[in-house]
Amino acid sequence: SAVISQKPSRDICQRGTSLTIQCQVDSQVTMMFWYRQQPGQSLTLIATANQGSEATYESGFVIDKFPISRPNLTFSTLTVSNMSPEDSSIYLCSARQGSTGELFFGEGSRLTVL
Amino acid sequence: KNEVEQSPQNLTAQEGEFITINCSYSVGISALHWLQQHPGGGIVSLFMLSSGKKKHGRLIATINIQEKHSSLHITASHPRDSAVYICAVRYRGSQGNLIFGKGTKLSVKP
Repeated sequence: SAVISQKPSRDICQRGTSLTIQCQVDSQVTMMFWYRQQPGQSLTLIATANQGSEATYESGFVIDKFPISRPNLTFSTLTVSNMSPEDSSIYLCSARQGSTGELFFGEGSRLTVL
Repeated sequence: KNEVEQSPQNLTAQEGEFITINCSYSVGISALHWLQQHPGGGIVSLFMLSSGKKKHGRLIATINIQEKHSSLHITASHPRDSAVYICAVRYRGSQGNLIFGKGTKLSVKP
């Protein structure tokens, strides 16, 4: 199994600023994902973080707003840029082991934008 | 449109009760996951199923591929089981992305 450390766990930010969320996995994983969970809603996939190349974004999400890095098989970052109150959500990092399909999730980053 | 339907949306139980949460999906899948989300937001993967039945402690998950239906059962429920339970499926032929149900909020009273 894998353990995912995600930070910050929560933050309160001002409109117009940017915040970078870090995700560290304690073992090499095949795939890493970033999700958003808006209040009272289920998870929505933002993008798949690809190691060494640009992330694959889902419809409605763009790189300029949510730049993602994945420099190696155990680490990824998600930046929420030029934040507005509508970006207030929980952001979750997830990983999947390719050989087993097993899923792992971080503890989430609860972001409030004022 | 590929959807995942969960029921009930909310569930309140007394400690010790047997609990069932249901999940239906619309087309062929390669895997179904049951997840548990605690109030702080963190998510734990409980089960991954592609057929049959799995058991872990007081939790049992079953899947009926023909009926496109899965259930999560909790025996001898306890207040610490209070959480949101989410069903998620990976459809066959997809890029591997998951489709999530809206979750079932379970509250177990002592």
